[in-house]
Amino acid sequence: KAGVTQTPRYLIKTRGQQVTLSCSPISGHRSVSWYQQTPGQGLQFLFEYFSETQRNKGNFPGRFSGRQFSNSRSEMNVSTLELGDSALYLCASSPFQTASYGYTFGSGTRLTVV
Amino acid sequence: TQLLEQSPQFLSIQEGENLTVYCNSSSVFSSLQWYRQEPGEGPVLLVTVVTGGEVKKLKRLTFQFGDARKDSSLHITAAQPGDTGLYLCAGAGTGGFKTIFGAGTRLFVKA
Repeated sequence: KAGVTQTPRYLIKTRGQQVTLSCSPISGHRSVSWYQQTPGQGLQFLFEYFSETQRNKGNFPGRFSGRQFSNSRSEMNVSTLELGDSALYLCASSPFQTASYGYTFGSGTRLTVV
Repeated sequence: TQLLEQSPQFLSIQEGENLTVYCNSSSVFSSLQWYRQEPGEGPVLLVTVVTGGEVKKLKRLTFQFGDARKDSSLHITAAQPGDTGLYLCAGAGTGGFKTIFGAGTRLFVKA
């Protein structure tokens, strides 16, 4: 059974550009969440989706957006990149409507903004 | 705003020693999870505790959820070099939404 797949694994972008990250959850998982991980801030919650609906959003600027498709795949977009957006972006999925039972994480996308 | 405080932030011990990692909050969580993360990879779920006072064991790891569901601990007996990694606690909010993570405890076990 395939795990959570995130693409690409590594990405280098220039300040001011935009980027789209992709996440394919485990088959049958309808809940997808995104986190940003940096050495200084740890894992910070970005978004949470269930059946194409955004249920929660973290405290990030409007440059960060996301969506979930009917096949549960999810994308997140960051526009007008800043140096501080350099981070490991993690996607996690769950078969349950709530996250009470924990997640399965992907390996992440390492974004470097130069 | 819900916050989870983990302590210690860093732990370096010899193989065979015991250790405890703490996760504390002033908020009540519907559940609390512990993850282990290795460099370059996503966190891997170790355990979920749901009931106040619950204790779960996973080989040499013992997890406890506080009676008031605000805190948790992870105890490792006879640590081994393979236990090295970043240990993260995570709390699921009311209704199970918006899981937040502690800053993590970086454990290094020397052979």
